[in-house]
Amino acid sequence: QKEVEQDPGPLSVPEGAIVSLNCTYSNSAFQYFMWYRQYSRKGPELLMYTYSSGNKEDGRFTAQVDKSSKYISLFIRDSQPSDSATYLCAMNLFSGGYNKLIFGAGTRLAVHP
Amino acid sequence: DSGVTQTPKHLITATGQRVTLRCSPRSGDLSVYWYQQSLDQGLQFLIQYYNGEERAKGNILERFSAQQFPDLHSELNLSSLELGDSALYFCASSVNLGPREPLHFGNGTRLTVT
Repeated sequence: QKEVEQDPGPLSVPEGAIVSLNCTYSNSAFQYFMWYRQYSRKGPELLMYTYSSGNKEDGRFTAQVDKSSKYISLFIRDSQPSDSATYLCAMNLFSGGYNKLIFGAGTRLAVHP
Repeated sequence: DSGVTQTPKHLITATGQRVTLRCSPRSGDLSVYWYQQSLDQGLQFLIQYYNGEERAKGNILERFSAQQFPDLHSELNLSSLELGDSALYFCASSVNLGPREPLHFGNGTRLTVT
């Protein structure tokens, strides 16, 4: 079983839709939870970062963490064609003086006009 | 632009060969990470350096090695290349080691082994 599971999609939605992206994890020791966005032929860029259960909002993006269920989500409101990218969840365990950052497989999102 | 520079952008080589990938971290960043991204495996952590010292190893093959130089740039050496080594190799950097430090990724080196 992978430490982080993420549905690879692809997910295709019309412009303006609400998008829900999800990941589950098995290691309860993960402390920090992130979402990265990766455009084609580019490196991943950090989108959202949180370390506690609950919601964190940043503009059209909301990150949700449920540690009891080992489940994290990213919601995108009023989705735009420019949101078309691969979204990777990532989870961080800081142990022994180093970061162990594990990525999900990524979900490909296409927002069509 | 993340500020992390990777060269070359593309590399095509034959099986059995050796290549070197180079990474310049963001100005001021002390920690460098190497990741491999393939279609079936996703982003896999290879190795991490902090201020010139190796700090963590992930799923790095013995044929692969890396180092971080005094000027903080890093190189990833891949030898005895196999077809399965074809992938995108990303370098990322962060200021320090702490878990709240975001990683800033370069745009990767696409390696094709024929």
